[in-house]
Amino acid sequence: QKEVEQDPGPLSVPEGAIVSLNCTYSNSAFQYFMWYRQYSRKGPELLMYTYSSGNKEDGRFTAQVDKSSKYISLFIRDSQPSDSATYLCAMTSNFGNEKLTFGTGTRLTIIP
Amino acid sequence: EAQVTQNPRYLITVTGKKLTVTCSQNMNHEYMSWYRQDPGLGLRQIYYSMNVEVTDKGDVPEGYKVSRKEKRNFPLILESPSPNQTSLYFCASSYEAGGLGEQFFGPGTRLTVL
Repeated sequence: QKEVEQDPGPLSVPEGAIVSLNCTYSNSAFQYFMWYRQYSRKGPELLMYTYSSGNKEDGRFTAQVDKSSKYISLFIRDSQPSDSATYLCAMTSNFGNEKLTFGTGTRLTIIP
Repeated sequence: EAQVTQNPRYLITVTGKKLTVTCSQNMNHEYMSWYRQDPGLGLRQIYYSMNVEVTDKGDVPEGYKVSRKEKRNFPLILESPSPNQTSLYFCASSYEAGGLGEQFFGPGTRLTVL
């Protein structure tokens, strides 16, 4: 079993829809959770960063962490064609130099 | 402009022919790492470096070498490439060690080994 599971998609939704992207994980030591966005032929870039459980909102994006269920989500409201990209979840513990563990990514297409 | 650069962006080579992929960052970051990205497997860390002359293995180091002689540069060396090293490679740097800091990724190098 992988430490981090992410539905690879692809996921296609019409413009303006609410998008929900999810990851599950098995390592209870993970405390820092991130979402990276990767456009085609580009490197990933950090989109959202959250610590422990709870919600964090940034414009149209909301990151949600449920540590009791080992489940994280990214919601995109009023989705735009420019949101079309691959979304990677990533997480780490706070133990020294522990590396980031990435999900496999979900490819999202917003249809105009 | 703050950035991580990689060269070459695309490379087709043959089995056994040594190659180097360069990586450079202009943000004075101490932490740098190399990843490979494969379908269904996601991003996996190959090697990382905490600072000049300090490097260590990641999840998939076999067949790769790195060096960190200067803070800004972190080249990835494939001494004898094999077809299973065909992949998309990313260099990344960050202020903080490990996974805590935001990783700044380069544009990627698509390597094909025939």
